[in-house]
Amino acid sequence: DAGVTQSPTHLIKTRGQQVTLRCSPKSGHDTVSWYQQALGQGPQFIFQYYEEEERQRGNFPDRFSGHQFPNYSSELNVNALLLGDSALYLCASSSTSYEQYFGPGTRLTVT
Amino acid sequence: AQSVAQPEDQVNVAEGNPLTVKCTYSVSGNPYLFWYVQYPNRGLQFLLKYITGDNLVKGSYGFEAEFNKSQTSFHLKKPSALVSDSALYFCAVRPDYGGSQGNLIFGKGTKLSVKP
Repeated sequence: DAGVTQSPTHLIKTRGQQVTLRCSPKSGHDTVSWYQQALGQGPQFIFQYYEEEERQRGNFPDRFSGHQFPNYSSELNVNALLLGDSALYLCASSSTSYEQYFGPGTRLTVT
Repeated sequence: AQSVAQPEDQVNVAEGNPLTVKCTYSVSGNPYLFWYVQYPNRGLQFLLKYITGDNLVKGSYGFEAEFNKSQTSFHLKKPSALVSDSALYFCAVRPDYGGSQGNLIFGKGTKLSVKP
């Protein structure tokens, strides 16, 4: 049974560009959450998707947007990239149980 | 404000000795509490959770945690540390939204170093 998968593994972008990160949830999971983990910090919640709708959102600007597809996979889009957006982006999936299962993350570097 | 505090940036333990990684939380309502472990350049792995019931929770790899409501703490423990336990440990809390879903609020993490 495949766990949560994310692509790409690493990404280098220039300030002002746009980026799309992808996530496939663990089999049987219908809810996807995205987190940003800056170096030396704990993960910060960006938003959560369920039934293709954004159900909850953290304190992130509108430059961060997302989407969930009918097969429960999800995308995170970031527009007008800033140097401060450099971080590890983690996707987590869950279902009716309380714990969230995390993918390996996408390391985004903005230069 | 809802938050999680991990007061120690690093914990050093000798192999075979017991270990404790501390966590305190501040959240309205009943807290749902979690511990995750992160190895270098990896995502987070779920260790254990407290939802309700027995205050002592057992999880993966011999870890356990004790929920203390009066002290608003959820310390992670292991009776005998292994070198392979060396990693970054995160405590997380999920406020009670009345269902099983909702965002996690993480602490800053504690680096555990187990020496042979």
